[in-house]
Amino acid sequence: AQTVTQSQPEMSVQEAETVTLSCTYDTSESNYYLFWYKQPPSRQMILVIRQEAYKQQNATENRFSVNFQKAAKSFSLKISDSQLGDTAMYFCALRWGGSNYKLTFGKGTLLTVNP
Amino acid sequence: DTEVTQTPKHLVMGMTNKKSLKCEQHMGHRAMYWYKQKAKKPPELMFVYSYEKLSINESVPSRFSPECPNSSLLNLHLHALQPEDSALYLCASSPMGLAGGPSYEQYFGPGTRLTVT
Repeated sequence: AQTVTQSQPEMSVQEAETVTLSCTYDTSESNYYLFWYKQPPSRQMILVIRQEAYKQQNATENRFSVNFQKAAKSFSLKISDSQLGDTAMYFCALRWGGSNYKLTFGKGTLLTVNP
Repeated sequence: DTEVTQTPKHLVMGMTNKKSLKCEQHMGHRAMYWYKQKAKKPPELMFVYSYEKLSINESVPSRFSPECPNSSLLNLHLHALQPEDSALYLCASSPMGLAGGPSYEQYFGPGTRLTVT
């Protein structure tokens, strides 16, 4: 069984500051993929960043970067220079590399960026 | 075009009504998904279509009936729903990966907000 845990139900940050969202996961598989999805109040789920478990290098997409600690099964998301538009629910998700197409989501972290 | 579209945006239906949700993508993706999402909760997978064939049904009640008429279109037919079925219904799609199965990334539509009265 696969599990994803986001221990921070809500967080807030001031505009232009940096914030880190935590995610831990558990899987017995060696081939898997991790994702962060963002869901703003408009409700459209947007893929922010992904990480292949076999890659040691942490993924980066503009102001978003991850800290992937495979041994610790940790996958945190860092948002630099936070913007008001970053206000959203953030979901960490895991997908096994096999034929199971299912994404396992964490419960989400509601991030509020304050002006 | 990197968009998944869903219609309608909002739907209110009675428990005896029959209605349909529509999802469309023109990215050439051959895997499509239906999710149900309750407020402040993560999405829950309902169905997966791969090459227009149903490959996963997550034990969804028969009052929900999916259909994939072609590679770009996914429908969800609704009949005799219950008030607890009120939720946001999300559609997603994936390109196919090198191994022949769906790629690992899923691209979501904006959802249909369904209210059952």
